[in-house]
Amino acid sequence: QVQLVESGGGLVKPGGSLRLSCEASGFRPIDSYMSWIRQAPGKGLEWISYISGTSHYANYADSVRGRFTISRDNAKSSLYLQMNSLRAEDSAVYYCARTACSGGNCKLDYWGQGTLVTVSS
Amino acid sequence: EIVLTQSPGTLSLSPGERATLSCRASQSVSSTYLAWYQQKPGQAPRLLISGASSRATGTPDRFSGSGSGTDFTLTISRLEPEDFAVYYCQLYGDSRFTFGPGTKVDIK
Repeated sequence: QVQLVESGGGLVKPGGSLRLSCEASGFRPIDSYMSWIRQAPGKGLEWISYISGTSHYANYADSVRGRFTISRDNAKSSLYLQMNSLRAEDSAVYYCARTACSGGNCKLDYWGQGTLVTVSS
Repeated sequence: EIVLTQSPGTLSLSPGERATLSCRASQSVSSTYLAWYQQKPGQAPRLLISGASSRATGTPDRFSGSGSGTDFTLTISRLEPEDFAVYYCQLYGDSRFTFGPGTKVDIK
């Protein structure tokens, strides 16, 4: 069955950097887009980035564009999110999700349990 | 940019009752791109419905989705104890995902 396990969260100072990882199993990585979604404490869901199975295409939310970089290593069945220039408002639980795309539509069909990032001095 | 609004913010109901959750888009969208997710406290969201009305694998048939244009509805025919959660609608378009603010269904 599909499993996604995030890691790499923690406490970081404003302006600092952090790299999140998501290890996937139960499906062929190259067959699926993958996304990162975050949820600030007590708030709703915010999609922040996705990447195609071959890494040829990626897109970002305006709130993180230029600061965050999504990447993947299909040989390791892993997805990454490099987060630079972190701000207090980036504090959230970060989820990775398998992203099933077909016929121009995509949906977030499997989610990991999330990793908490706290940006604070 | 299309904005999704959900109503009500909180729905207080008893087990066995019917729940009707609304999601409204700021402009007309194709129902193909509308999905619903359930999130229980301390858990990750779970895909319930895609294409506005197609239940995802494992979604009980008491959950149904409908709608078109700007107005979409998630209906839970008879609430079970495990259905008390937050529900988000989500739209895919222009290579991005947009979520509504969520509706919390809590026990009356």
